[in-house]
Amino acid sequence: AQRVTQPEKLLSVFKGAPVELKCNYSYSGSPELFWYVQYSRQRLQLLLRHISRESIKGFTADLNKGETSFHLKKPFAQEEDSAMYYCALRGFSGGYNKLIFGAGTRLAVHP
Amino acid sequence: KAGVTQTPRYLIKTRGQQVTLSCSPISGHRSVSWYQQTPGQGLQFLFEYFSETQRNKGNFPGRFSGRQFSNSRSEMNVSTLELGDSALYLCASSATAGSSYEQYFGPGTRLTVT
Repeated sequence: AQRVTQPEKLLSVFKGAPVELKCNYSYSGSPELFWYVQYSRQRLQLLLRHISRESIKGFTADLNKGETSFHLKKPFAQEEDSAMYYCALRGFSGGYNKLIFGAGTRLAVHP
Repeated sequence: KAGVTQTPRYLIKTRGQQVTLSCSPISGHRSVSWYQQTPGQGLQFLFEYFSETQRNKGNFPGRFSGRQFSNSRSEMNVSTLELGDSALYLCASSATAGSSYEQYFGPGTRLTVT
């Protein structure tokens, strides 16, 4: 079964601290993994995808197929990073535009 | 480019009624997907339409249906509403299929069933 697990509902850190939002997935094959972010009163938007291997707003995520994980990391959190973060999986058997989302993690960065 | 728009933004219906939600994709986008977001179940895929054809369907009862028009605008319909249908319904559009194409989400329609 395709599943995405985000074990933390809330992650609370101070500004300047490192951040790691965890994401584990279950999929029999080679899925595509994404991180979406939703800032307060804004729509859901793509933050980054594993195939791009890029850093967006200081965030990076590495796909670890052995551990079936795709954790999101940032070395120094900023207050403007406070938002809801969703990990999502796209399995090719389900079609390119079918995303399986995790439950989400709320990141709160305190001054 | 204008983003994905959804109408109405808020809706209150009574159990047993039916409802139609509308989604206008970004100009030029041909794929429209629908998701249901609830506190308990999170974001769940409902279905996807491409060139007026349903390509994928999630695990929802037949009361949930949709369609897409020739201009790529999409509607979803929920018949015989239940209290558990109260949710934020999100629409996402994509230029086409393929791993290089990003999905863009609309602001959602918040449906409350009383």
